[in-house]
Amino acid sequence: DGGITQSPKYLFRKEGQNVTLSCEQNLNHDAMYWYRQDPGQGLRLIYYSQIVNDFQKGDIAEGYSVSREKKESFPLTVTSAQKNPTAFYLCASSADRGRSPLHFGNGTRLTVT
Amino acid sequence: GNSVTQMEGPVTLSEEAFLTINCTYTATGYPSLFWYVQYPGEGLQLLLKATKADDKGSNKGFEATYRKETTSFHLEKGSVQVSDSAVYFCALGADGQNFVFGPGTRLSVLP
Repeated sequence: DGGITQSPKYLFRKEGQNVTLSCEQNLNHDAMYWYRQDPGQGLRLIYYSQIVNDFQKGDIAEGYSVSREKKESFPLTVTSAQKNPTAFYLCASSADRGRSPLHFGNGTRLTVT
Repeated sequence: GNSVTQMEGPVTLSEEAFLTINCTYTATGYPSLFWYVQYPGEGLQLLLKATKADDKGSNKGFEATYRKETTSFHLEKGSVQVSDSAVYFCALGADGQNFVFGPGTRLSVLP
């Protein structure tokens, strides 16, 4: 079955360390996205990519970085510059940016202490 | 810019009750509209969608009709179950733009 795989499901890090969250899709989708979700909150867009080797900042990109070297993969690095990194991170993909439905992974819960 | 407004809840219902979650939108042009559901600890799942005015999306007993005249896409279900307890997000997609999500509505269904 096609889908999006995020790993790991839970991630624990010490303050000051960079951490990379994995996102892989086998849906052959061009567009991929990273969202952040805080408890009881909605979704906030961190970064998105419409095509390989291209990505754009979303609404809350500060303290995060991404790469898109392969169509299937869109890893997110949470850097030590991110002031409040503890959150639930969701990766999504869609056939194109716009009307096509987003398909989500099951998320990674990052806890930084 | 485009925006989505939905009732924030929480909404608490008894099993077999009727559910309505209101969603209204602001957009230029003719967006597509979506409802997503999120169960605890999971990602969002597409529940239903509508791509043009007067379309009705339906899935698992849930329905929503794209009403251009009232810019609304209200989610309804005739008889909710305990297993429907989740957070529901209304969303809008428009050509060449990122999705716009509502804040989510938490639904709790009591046995």
